[in-house]
Amino acid sequence: GAVVSQHPSWVICKSGTSVKIECRSLDFQATTMFWYRQFPKQSLMLMATSNEGSKATYEQGVEKDKFLINHASLTLSTLTVTSAHPEDSSFYICSARDRMRGNYGYTFGSGTRLTVV
Amino acid sequence: SQQGEEDPQALSIQEGENATMNCSYKTSINNLQWYRQNSGRGLVHLILIRSNEREKHSGRLRVTLDTSKKSSSLLITASRAADTASYFCATDLGTPLVFGKGTRLSVIA
Repeated sequence: GAVVSQHPSWVICKSGTSVKIECRSLDFQATTMFWYRQFPKQSLMLMATSNEGSKATYEQGVEKDKFLINHASLTLSTLTVTSAHPEDSSFYICSARDRMRGNYGYTFGSGTRLTVV
Repeated sequence: SQQGEEDPQALSIQEGENATMNCSYKTSINNLQWYRQNSGRGLVHLILIRSNEREKHSGRLRVTLDTSKKSSSLLITASRAADTASYFCATDLGTPLVFGKGTRLSVIA
Protein backbone atom coordinates (compact mmCIF):
# COMPACT_ATOMS: atom_id res chain seq x y z
CA GLY A 1 0.00 0.00 0.00
CA ALA A 2 0.89 3.65 -0.22
CA VAL A 3 3.44 4.77 2.35
CA VAL A 4 4.40 8.26 3.45
CA SER A 5 7.58 8.67 5.42
CA GLN A 6 7.84 11.67 7.71
CA HIS A 7 11.05 12.67 9.45
CA PRO A 8 12.02 13.36 12.08
CA SER A 9 9.43 11.76 14.34
CA TRP A 10 10.38 14.09 17.13
CA VAL A 11 12.68 17.07 17.53
CA ILE A 12 13.66 19.42 20.31
CA CYS A 13 15.12 22.76 19.36
CA LYS A 14 16.04 26.04 20.97
CA SER A 15 14.00 29.20 20.52
CA GLY A 16 15.11 31.14 17.50
CA THR A 17 16.39 28.20 15.53
CA SER A 18 14.80 26.65 12.45
CA VAL A 19 13.57 23.11 12.04
CA LYS A 20 12.93 21.24 8.82
CA ILE A 21 10.43 18.40 8.58
CA GLU A 22 10.40 16.10 5.57
CA CYS A 23 7.47 14.28 4.07
CA ARG A 24 8.22 11.72 1.41
CA SER A 25 5.93 9.46 -0.58
CA LEU A 26 7.79 6.19 -0.96
CA ASP A 27 5.93 4.27 -3.61
CA PHE A 28 3.71 6.74 -5.38
CA GLN A 29 3.76 10.17 -6.89
CA ALA A 30 2.07 12.86 -4.87
CA THR A 31 0.96 15.85 -6.87
CA THR A 32 -0.43 17.39 -3.73
CA MET A 33 0.74 17.28 -0.16
CA PHE A 34 -0.93 18.74 2.89
CA TRP A 35 0.48 19.90 6.18
CA TYR A 36 -1.55 19.74 9.36
CA ARG A 37 -0.93 20.86 12.91
CA GLN A 38 -2.43 19.18 15.93
CA PHE A 39 -2.51 20.38 19.51
CA PRO A 40 -2.94 17.86 22.35
CA LYS A 41 -6.33 16.19 22.37
CA GLN A 42 -7.50 18.32 19.48
CA SER A 43 -8.21 17.81 15.84
CA LEU A 44 -5.96 18.28 12.86
CA MET A 45 -5.93 21.80 11.52
CA LEU A 46 -4.88 22.26 7.93
CA MET A 47 -1.96 24.63 7.61
CA ALA A 48 -1.23 24.58 3.91
CA THR A 49 -1.57 22.72 0.66
CA SER A 50 1.42 22.29 -1.59
CA ASN A 51 1.45 21.30 -5.22
CA GLU A 52 4.58 20.07 -6.88
CA GLY A 53 6.46 22.88 -8.54
CA SER A 54 4.27 25.71 -7.32
CA LYS A 55 3.87 27.86 -4.25
CA ALA A 56 1.98 26.51 -1.30
CA THR A 57 -1.49 27.74 -0.46
CA TYR A 58 -1.74 28.68 3.19
CA GLU A 59 -4.83 28.62 5.33
CA GLN A 60 -6.02 31.80 6.92
CA GLY A 61 -4.01 32.69 9.99
CA VAL A 62 -0.96 30.61 9.05
CA GLU A 63 2.17 32.71 8.61
CA LYS A 64 3.80 31.71 5.34
CA ASP A 65 7.08 33.34 6.29
CA LYS A 66 7.22 31.32 9.46
CA PHE A 67 6.15 28.00 8.01
CA LEU A 68 8.05 27.60 4.77
CA ILE A 69 6.81 24.83 2.53
CA ASN A 70 8.70 23.45 -0.43
CA HIS A 71 7.37 20.78 -2.77
CA ALA A 72 10.23 20.42 -5.20
CA SER A 73 9.41 16.96 -6.50
CA LEU A 74 6.50 14.56 -6.82
CA THR A 75 7.72 12.61 -3.82
CA LEU A 76 9.03 15.19 -1.38
CA SER A 77 7.62 18.13 0.51
CA THR A 78 9.32 19.93 3.37
CA LEU A 79 8.02 22.17 6.12
CA THR A 80 10.52 24.50 7.76
CA VAL A 81 9.54 26.19 10.98
CA THR A 82 11.67 29.31 11.01
CA SER A 83 12.75 31.14 14.15
CA ALA A 84 10.82 28.69 16.25
CA HIS A 85 9.24 29.76 19.52
CA PRO A 86 7.69 27.70 22.33
CA GLU A 87 4.20 28.39 20.99
CA ASP A 88 5.19 26.53 17.81
CA SER A 89 5.52 23.37 19.84
CA SER A 90 3.00 20.98 18.40
CA PHE A 91 2.46 17.79 16.45
CA TYR A 92 2.84 18.26 12.71
CA ILE A 93 1.45 15.72 10.25
CA CYS A 94 1.79 15.60 6.50
CA SER A 95 -0.51 13.91 4.04
CA ALA A 96 0.10 13.04 0.42
CA ARG A 97 -2.47 12.40 -2.24
CA ASP A 98 -1.69 9.73 -4.80
CA ARG A 99 -2.23 11.26 -8.22
CA MET A 100 -3.39 7.89 -9.54
CA ARG A 101 -6.03 7.40 -6.86
CA GLY A 102 -7.39 10.92 -6.80
CA ASN A 103 -9.75 11.66 -3.94
CA TYR A 104 -9.41 8.11 -2.57
CA GLY A 105 -5.72 8.22 -2.11
CA TYR A 106 -4.81 10.19 1.02
CA THR A 107 -1.94 8.75 3.03
CA PHE A 108 -0.61 10.26 6.22
CA GLY A 109 2.85 10.41 7.66
CA SER A 110 3.48 9.30 11.22
CA GLY A 111 3.84 12.86 12.44
CA THR A 112 6.57 14.99 13.99
CA ARG A 113 6.50 16.10 17.60
CA LEU A 114 8.20 19.50 17.78
CA THR A 115 9.22 20.89 21.16
CA VAL A 116 10.75 24.34 21.27
CA VAL A 117 12.57 25.18 24.49
CA SER B 1 -12.05 25.32 8.86
CA GLN B 2 -13.46 22.27 10.55
CA GLN B 3 -16.53 20.73 9.09
CA GLY B 4 -17.04 17.44 10.86
CA GLU B 5 -18.20 17.30 14.43
CA GLU B 6 -17.87 14.00 16.23
CA ASP B 7 -20.07 12.91 19.02
CA PRO B 8 -19.34 11.92 21.72
CA GLN B 9 -16.03 13.61 22.41
CA ALA B 10 -15.02 10.77 24.68
CA LEU B 11 -16.33 7.25 25.11
CA SER B 12 -15.34 4.59 27.60
CA ILE B 13 -16.57 1.04 27.25
CA GLN B 14 -15.78 -2.47 28.39
CA GLU B 15 -14.01 -4.92 26.14
CA GLY B 16 -16.50 -6.86 24.04
CA GLU B 17 -19.03 -4.07 23.90
CA ASN B 18 -19.85 -2.14 20.75
CA ALA B 19 -18.72 1.45 20.28
CA THR B 20 -20.67 3.93 18.19
CA MET B 21 -19.35 7.29 17.14
CA ASN B 22 -21.23 9.89 15.16
CA CYS B 23 -20.11 12.61 12.81
CA SER B 24 -22.07 15.53 11.45
CA TYR B 25 -20.99 17.84 8.68
CA LYS B 26 -22.24 20.99 7.02
CA THR B 27 -21.84 20.91 3.26
CA SER B 28 -22.15 18.48 0.37
CA ILE B 29 -19.34 15.99 0.14
CA ASN B 30 -17.70 13.66 -2.36
CA ASN B 31 -17.00 11.08 0.30
CA LEU B 32 -16.48 10.75 4.02
CA GLN B 33 -13.58 8.94 5.61
CA TRP B 34 -12.86 7.64 9.07
CA TYR B 35 -9.39 7.61 10.55
CA ARG B 36 -7.85 6.26 13.69
CA GLN B 37 -5.01 7.87 15.63
CA ASN B 38 -3.12 6.27 18.44
CA SER B 39 -1.73 8.74 20.94
CA GLY B 40 1.10 10.77 19.46
CA ARG B 41 1.04 8.91 16.17
CA GLY B 42 -0.08 9.50 12.62
CA LEU B 43 -3.45 8.72 11.15
CA VAL B 44 -4.50 5.36 9.85
CA HIS B 45 -7.23 5.24 7.24
CA LEU B 46 -10.06 2.96 8.30
CA ILE B 47 -12.80 3.23 5.77
CA LEU B 48 -14.17 5.49 3.04
CA ILE B 49 -17.81 5.81 2.15
CA ARG B 50 -18.87 7.58 -1.00
CA SER B 51 -21.69 10.08 -1.11
CA ASN B 52 -23.89 7.64 -3.04
CA GLU B 53 -23.38 4.84 -0.53
CA ARG B 54 -25.42 4.34 2.62
CA GLU B 55 -23.55 1.63 4.45
CA LYS B 56 -20.20 -0.03 4.31
CA HIS B 57 -18.50 -2.80 6.27
CA SER B 58 -14.89 -3.65 6.88
CA GLY B 59 -14.17 -6.37 9.40
CA ARG B 60 -15.54 -5.19 12.75
CA LEU B 61 -16.26 -1.76 11.37
CA ARG B 62 -19.58 -0.59 10.04
CA VAL B 63 -20.05 2.88 8.64
CA THR B 64 -23.31 4.50 7.67
CA LEU B 65 -23.88 7.72 5.79
CA ASP B 66 -27.05 9.78 5.68
CA THR B 67 -26.53 12.64 3.25
CA SER B 68 -29.98 14.06 3.93
CA LYS B 69 -29.02 14.55 7.57
CA LYS B 70 -25.38 15.20 6.76
CA SER B 71 -24.28 12.63 9.26
CA SER B 72 -22.27 9.45 9.49
CA SER B 73 -21.70 6.86 12.15
CA LEU B 74 -18.88 4.45 12.86
CA LEU B 75 -19.67 1.28 14.73
CA ILE B 76 -16.92 -0.91 16.13
CA THR B 77 -18.28 -4.26 17.18
CA ALA B 78 -16.82 -6.54 19.85
CA SER B 79 -14.32 -3.90 20.90
CA ARG B 80 -10.86 -4.78 22.13
CA ALA B 81 -8.42 -2.95 24.35
CA ALA B 82 -6.29 -2.39 21.24
CA ASP B 83 -9.11 -0.31 19.76
CA THR B 84 -8.31 2.41 22.28
CA ALA B 85 -7.50 5.48 20.18
CA SER B 86 -8.95 8.69 18.81
CA TYR B 87 -11.25 8.39 15.84
CA PHE B 88 -11.79 11.18 13.35
CA CYS B 89 -14.17 11.64 10.52
CA ALA B 90 -12.95 13.62 7.55
CA THR B 91 -15.00 15.05 4.75
CA ASP B 92 -13.74 15.25 1.21
CA LEU B 93 -15.20 18.08 -0.80
CA GLY B 94 -12.64 17.76 -3.55
CA THR B 95 -10.29 19.87 -1.48
CA PRO B 96 -8.03 18.94 1.44
CA LEU B 97 -9.65 16.63 3.92
CA VAL B 98 -11.36 18.52 6.71
CA PHE B 99 -11.30 16.77 10.05
CA GLY B 100 -13.75 16.73 12.89
CA LYS B 101 -12.73 17.12 16.51
CA GLY B 102 -12.56 13.40 17.08
CA THR B 103 -13.85 10.89 19.58
CA ARG B 104 -11.45 9.50 22.17
CA LEU B 105 -12.35 5.87 22.69
CA SER B 106 -11.12 3.96 25.70
CA VAL B 107 -11.74 0.23 25.80
CA ILE B 108 -11.23 -1.23 29.23
CA ALA B 109 -10.06 -4.82 29.50
